[in-house]
Amino acid sequence: SAVISQKPSRDICQRGTSLTIQCQVDSQVTMMFWYRQQPGQSLTLIATANQGSEATYESGFVIDKFPISRPNLTFSTLTVSNMSPEDSSIYLCSVQIWGEPHQPQHFGDGTRLSIL
Amino acid sequence: AQSVTQLGSHVSVSEGALVLLRCNYSSSVPPYLFWYVQYPNQGLQLLLKYTTGATLVKGINGFEAEFKKSETSFHLTKPSAHMSDAAEYFCAVSGGSNYKLTFGKGTLLTVNP
Repeated sequence: SAVISQKPSRDICQRGTSLTIQCQVDSQVTMMFWYRQQPGQSLTLIATANQGSEATYESGFVIDKFPISRPNLTFSTLTVSNMSPEDSSIYLCSVQIWGEPHQPQHFGDGTRLSIL
Repeated sequence: AQSVTQLGSHVSVSEGALVLLRCNYSSSVPPYLFWYVQYPNQGLQLLLKYTTGATLVKGINGFEAEFKKSETSFHLTKPSAHMSDAAEYFCAVSGGSNYKLTFGKGTLLTVNP
C-alpha cells in the first residue's frame, strides 16, 4: 500500500486565520480524498481532490471554506479558511490507488487542528 | 444510498476474552465492506475487507469478519483480546460504481487486564 505523509501533524491556530494541510504520497494514485473527523465523531468526506481540475465537494462543504488543490498524482493540499472554533477537528487525507470502488482507501495520520 | 450502523459505541472486554464488534449495513447494490482501526493520535489502518467471494475474511492482528447478506451484517471478531487491541474501530461500506466510503460512528474497544 502507499505511504501517505501529512503535514502538519497538529496545529493550534487563531480564529479568523487559514491553514493549509499537505498530503504527499510515495507513489502515483488515482483518487485522493479529504475527510474531517470532529471530536468523538466518525469521518465525514469533505471532497474528492481531482488532478488538474476543481475538487468535487460533498453536501455541506464549499470551496470558499475548504479550497483544495491537486497539481499532480502524488500531492494535494486542503486549506481551512477563516477558521472558527467549530473547525477544530482531525483532517485526514486518504488515497485509493486504482480508483476502483472495491479497493480500500489508505489514510494518512491526520492533522489535529485546534482553533482558539 | 448506503449507511452503516455500529451497535455499541463502547465495548469493554477482558484480556484473553472474545472480541465481537457489530456492524450492519444498508446498500442498494452489492456492498464492499471494510473494517478500519484507529489508534490514539494516528490515522486509520485497514484491518480487512470484503469485496466478493469467500464470506469469511481474515485480516491483520488476528481479526476476522463474516459477511452475512441475509442479515446485512459484517461483524468483526477476534478470539482472544490483547491489550494492544484497545482502539477505535470503524466499519465502512462502498459499492457499485460509488468509490466513496460511508463510515459508521465507530466503536471504542477497551481491554481490561
